[in-house]
Amino acid sequence: GDSVTQMEGPVTLSEEAFLTINCTYTATGYPSLFWYVQYPGEGLQLLLKATKADDKGSNKGFEATYRKETTSFHLEKGSVQVSDSAVYFCALSEWSGGSNYKLTFGKGTLLTVNP
Amino acid sequence: GAVVSQHPSWVICKSGTSVKIECRSLDFQATTMFWYRQFPKQSLMLMATSNEGSKATYEQGVEKDKFLINHASLTLSTLTVTSAHPEDSSFYICSAPGDANEQYFGPGTRLTVT
Repeated sequence: GDSVTQMEGPVTLSEEAFLTINCTYTATGYPSLFWYVQYPGEGLQLLLKATKADDKGSNKGFEATYRKETTSFHLEKGSVQVSDSAVYFCALSEWSGGSNYKLTFGKGTLLTVNP
Repeated sequence: GAVVSQHPSWVICKSGTSVKIECRSLDFQATTMFWYRQFPKQSLMLMATSNEGSKATYEQGVEKDKFLINHASLTLSTLTVTSAHPEDSSFYICSAPGDANEQYFGPGTRLTVT
């Protein structure tokens, strides 16, 4: 079945450091790829997405490029802030029948940014 | 934008009782909603797909008699945890599909069974 493997945390950085969280996937078809963020005590929020190969998703300074050849969707940010502290989930979406698409999540990576 | 709400945001119940969690799409209709369970410091596990007008589809290993799902309308799905036990304590999150295979998530409900 489909699966997502992402870098295990926790990741601790100082403010303004460069961030990379690795994510690779296996899928039988052509999935859409997502990064979701979960702040403490809250639900998931979509951070960015890419729907086809070579697409780059970006939002709030975060970027990720859909690399089909390496089946990867690594998350990057050039300069992190304390407010970026959260759990980040990589996910893929594939058609599951009818008009439904299922999300498969990675295990999540806890990021802590210190001032 | 698309907003999904959940109620309650947290609930404490005694072992053996049942608890109902509501998931609503506030500004759009959702013929399908998804229910996830998240254990502490772990990823989301899809429990079931809620379908308006038909039975829910449960993932392998999820007890359908324990986790009752009802998709009452195009904007409301409910998850009832029946005869709850401490091992059912968890964070329950619902979502509804949007454009481009995206899902909109509710804020989650933290259930604690004592």
